[in-house]
Order: sequence, then structure tokens, then C-alpha cells
Amino acid sequence: DTGVSQDPRHKITKRGQNVTFRCDPISEHNRLYWYRQTLGQGPEFLTYFQNEAQLEKSRLLSDRFSAERPKGSFSTLEIQRTEQGDSAMYLCASNHEGYPPYNEQFFGPGTRLTVL
Amino acid sequence: GQQLNQSPQSMFIQEGEDVSMNCTSSSIFNTWLWYKQDPGEGPVLLIALYKAGELTSNGRLTAQFGITRKDSFLNISASIPSDVGIYFCAGPWGTYKYIFGTGTRLKVLA
Repeated sequence: DTGVSQDPRHKITKRGQNVTFRCDPISEHNRLYWYRQTLGQGPEFLTYFQNEAQLEKSRLLSDRFSAERPKGSFSTLEIQRTEQGDSAMYLCASNHEGYPPYNEQFFGPGTRLTVL
Repeated sequence: GQQLNQSPQSMFIQEGEDVSMNCTSSSIFNTWLWYKQDPGEGPVLLIALYKAGELTSNGRLTAQFGITRKDSFLNISASIPSDVGIYFCAGPWGTYKYIFGTGTRLKVLA
């Protein structure tokens, strides 16, 4: 399977704990995006990587959130000191700037986070 | 901030019926993407549109890029139970961001 993969699929944690999610994009996709989706809403942009460079961050990404893409391949999203309001589905998507269709994004299955 | 408004918010239809939904924006887009999302899964790309007036089909799905570039439409013909889900429109916004619509929830009655 050459699609976007995310791990874990589900995470339950207690308030105040740190959590880390991983995303593996489609091979050779140099663009990677993180989104957050709460119940009944569409995905909301969090951050964007081109290769290993984080080029844009949403205001939704508070100081407790950090994302990395150290070698321009997989990416991690860490949430420190989780709060109940962080409960959501975290989605990863990828595409490639170098060949069409440039604007089509491909999503992973998401990580569902529940903060108790 | 910029929003993509989808209509209707939800709909119940009988199996075999055709479905129409739309997505509108206050700003011009140069690309429209239509996604379907099943419960607990990530969105799956259905159709991408790149030119004003473009009409593109994918099986029973047909989408159109509005002439004004501020709207797009998705039609599903002869709906089946597996068409159930949430349909989102989306488009690139700014240099790197994408924004998504509010979603249309489709339920098909057998």
C-alpha cells in the first residue's frame, strides 16, 4: 500500500500528558500537511512542510504543539500538556510540487485523540 | 476568515435517487477539490477541478467548476447505500494552505 499512513490510529490519554503522532506520506511527496478535525467540522489546517522545512503554521498551533519532519520523509506532531480541547482527529496529507496534479492532496486515515 | 459554505448541510435520500450539493465562497479559487469522508477515516479525493466551467466525471459522480470561480457543484447519480458519508469541498488558499467546506452529510435509505 503506497498511501499516506498514520500511527497510532487511536490514542487515549489523560489531561496533562504528552502525545506524539507519526505520519508517513506517499513516497516522493515532498509536501506534507497536518490538519485537525473536530466533530461535525471540516479539516482545519495546522502546518505545512516542504521537504524538511516547516513553511507555514496556523494560529491554531499553540506553543504546546510542535511538528517536525527531520529528513523530509515522515513527520511527527507532538502535543505537550494535553487539554480536553485537544480531543480531535489529527489528519496528515501529502502531495508533490514537482509534477501535476500539484493541488491534489492525499490524506491518511487519521489519528483519533481523546483526552480524558 | 475565509469560509467555504456547503449546501445542504445534510440530506436523506432514497436509494436510486440523484443527489446535488454545492459549495460557495466569497473569494475566487483556481482549484476545487471534492472529498468523501467515512466515519473514523480520512477524506478520500473524489474529483479535482482546475478550470472555470470544467465538468468532470468519476463514475456516478460529476462535478463542475462554477463560471464565477466562486462555486462548485457535485452530483451523484443513482445513489447507493455506500454513498453514505460526508462530502467536503476544498481549495488551496494562499501559498500553502487549503481550506475545507462545512460538509454535506448524506444518508441513503435503502
